[in-house]
Amino acid sequence: GENVEQHPSTLSVQEGDSAVIKCTYSDSASNYFPWYKQELGKRPQLIIDIRSNVGEKKDQRIAVTLNKTAKHFSLHITETQPEDSAVYFCAAKTQGGSEKLVFGKGTKLTVNP
Amino acid sequence: NAGVTQTPKFRILKIGQSMTLQCTQDMNHNYMYWYRQDPGMGLKLIYYSVGAGITDKGEVPNGYNVSRSTTEDFPLRLELAAPSQTSVYFCASRDRGSSSYNSPLHFGNGTRLTVT
Repeated sequence: GENVEQHPSTLSVQEGDSAVIKCTYSDSASNYFPWYKQELGKRPQLIIDIRSNVGEKKDQRIAVTLNKTAKHFSLHITETQPEDSAVYFCAAKTQGGSEKLVFGKGTKLTVNP
Repeated sequence: NAGVTQTPKFRILKIGQSMTLQCTQDMNHNYMYWYRQDPGMGLKLIYYSVGAGITDKGEVPNGYNVSRSTTEDFPLRLELAAPSQTSVYFCASRDRGSSSYNSPLHFGNGTRLTVT
């Protein structure tokens, strides 16, 4: 089955700096890669996602890149703000067949003012 | 539109007790999921369902059971609670999507369960 590895487990940056979180996946048939943000004590919420037929997707200060050959994808947050502090999870899913969405272990991002 | 509603929010169980975590959604979503979240371990899939009457095991199904008698409800049953089941449990749902669109997961607020 699918296995998703996420790095780093913790990340601390200064306000205004960029943050990058990386994930690798094992199943080459996976073709959907969402990112979720979970604030302390809250539910995870989708912030951006990418399909395997796209190499990069941007939404304001966040972007996701995908390298299908290497089976890794990354989340990029630019001009970080204190409200970006949260745990971020990557995930992978195979279209059709199993509907399982497999998550990475999460990255705790702290943005210092 | 309440989204995904989980009850209870908190529960303390003694070893060997049983309980049912309730989950209901009002978005007419076909797919529903149960995840557990342990500190530093991300979200592990327990069971999922692609429609009423259909359920399947996830990554960590042992010690749990589910049923899906209606589209709206997807309860999770713990028969003999063990300390290893201390965790935060999230129910989630999503639409079927299509070949060109992956619908996002909508999570409930979670149930914090402690087994002592």
